[in-house]
Amino acid sequence: AQTVTQSQPEMSVQEAETVTLSCTYDTSENNYYLFWYKQPPSRQMILVIRQEAYKQQNATENRFSVNFQKAAKSFSLKISDSQLGDTAMYFCAFIDAGNNRKLIWGLGTSLAVNP
Amino acid sequence: NAGVTQTPKFQVLKTGQSMTLQCAQDMNHNSMYWYRQDPGMGLRLIYYSASEGTTDKGEVPNGYNVSRLNKREFSLRLESAAPSQTSVYFCASSQYRTSVSYEQYFGPGTRLTVT
Repeated sequence: AQTVTQSQPEMSVQEAETVTLSCTYDTSENNYYLFWYKQPPSRQMILVIRQEAYKQQNATENRFSVNFQKAAKSFSLKISDSQLGDTAMYFCAFIDAGNNRKLIWGLGTSLAVNP
Repeated sequence: NAGVTQTPKFQVLKTGQSMTLQCAQDMNHNSMYWYRQDPGMGLRLIYYSASEGTTDKGEVPNGYNVSRLNKREFSLRLESAAPSQTSVYFCASSQYRTSVSYEQYFGPGTRLTVT
């Protein structure tokens, strides 16, 4: 079965510092996509970043970047220059591109950015 | 372009009552999804519709029914609400089988309380 594991239920970081959130996944497929979603207190689910498994280059979106280690099945999210607005739940998710009806979700990491 | 909209935002039901949660998307997406989110459980898929005219069960379909009314709209019905269905419900949509759009876009959620 395909699974996604986020081993850090809660984390905190000081404003302007860098934090890394961990995610590991398990699959026997080769063609898949990985995502990080953010859920602030407003409850809205927001896509932060996407990584295609066939791309070796790590995805970046402004202050957000990933460290994608395909062999290790690891997909961590790095947030640089943390801002108060980054306070949120962060969810890692996986989708099999051959069967892309269902996202497989981790249980989330609650990130608090402290002033 | 409103993205994914859901109504209502909040609802309180008594045990045994019925209600329908409405979802609509204006992104011309093929696939639509209903999730529930409970503390410590992440997001769990209730039902999904890969394309207009089709629906399939997800992880937790018991107690729910869905209707894909047309390409834009996907409703979730609780026929006889139970306290175990107290949750936050999210609708999402995605474009099936395109090279870059496997990610799902979410509505703002409905907080449902069953007493």
